[in-house]
Amino acid sequence: GENVEQHPSTLSVQEGDSAVIKCTYSDSASNYFPWYKQELGKRPQLIIDIRSNVGEKKDQRIAVTLNKTAKHFSLHITETQPEDSAVYFCAASNNYQLIWGAGTKLIIKP
Amino acid sequence: DVKVTQSSRYLVKRTGEKVFLECVQDMDHENMFWYRQDPGLGLRLIYFSYDVKMKEKGDIPEGYSVSREKKERFSLILESASTNQTSMYLCASSLYPGDDGYTFGSGTRLTVV
Repeated sequence: GENVEQHPSTLSVQEGDSAVIKCTYSDSASNYFPWYKQELGKRPQLIIDIRSNVGEKKDQRIAVTLNKTAKHFSLHITETQPEDSAVYFCAASNNYQLIWGAGTKLIIKP
Repeated sequence: DVKVTQSSRYLVKRTGEKVFLECVQDMDHENMFWYRQDPGLGLRLIYFSYDVKMKEKGDIPEGYSVSREKKERFSLILESASTNQTSMYLCASSLYPGDDGYTFGSGTRLTVV
């Protein structure tokens, strides 16, 4: 079955710098890759997603890239701000269900 | 604007009690999921359902059961609560099983004493 690995488990960056979180997946049939943000004490919320027919997608300060050949996808956050502090989860889907990464705790240092 | 509602935010139950966690969605979604979230372990799927009266085991179904009598409601049942079931429980729903974003409820933090 599908397996999703997410790295790093914790990422600490200076405010204003960029942050990159990476995920790899095992099932080449996976075709949908969402990213969720979970702030402390709140529910996970979808922030951006990408489908297998697209290599990159941007939404203001966040972007996701997908390399189907290497079977990995990444979340990029530029000009990080304090409100970006959260746990971020990646997931991969093959139209059956989402398989989740273990999460990355992003810490923004002032 | 709340679309997935979990009946309780915090619950404290005694070992051996039967516990019901309720989840209701108002988006007419076919698919509903129950996860538990523990520090360092991410989101682990307990059970899911693709249709009324349909249920499938996830990765960690032991000690749990579910009920989906109506499309909008998906209940998680702990037949005999144990301390190792102390956790945050998250319900989610989606329009399509894997090709669509999930909407999560606010979660129920269950403590079994």
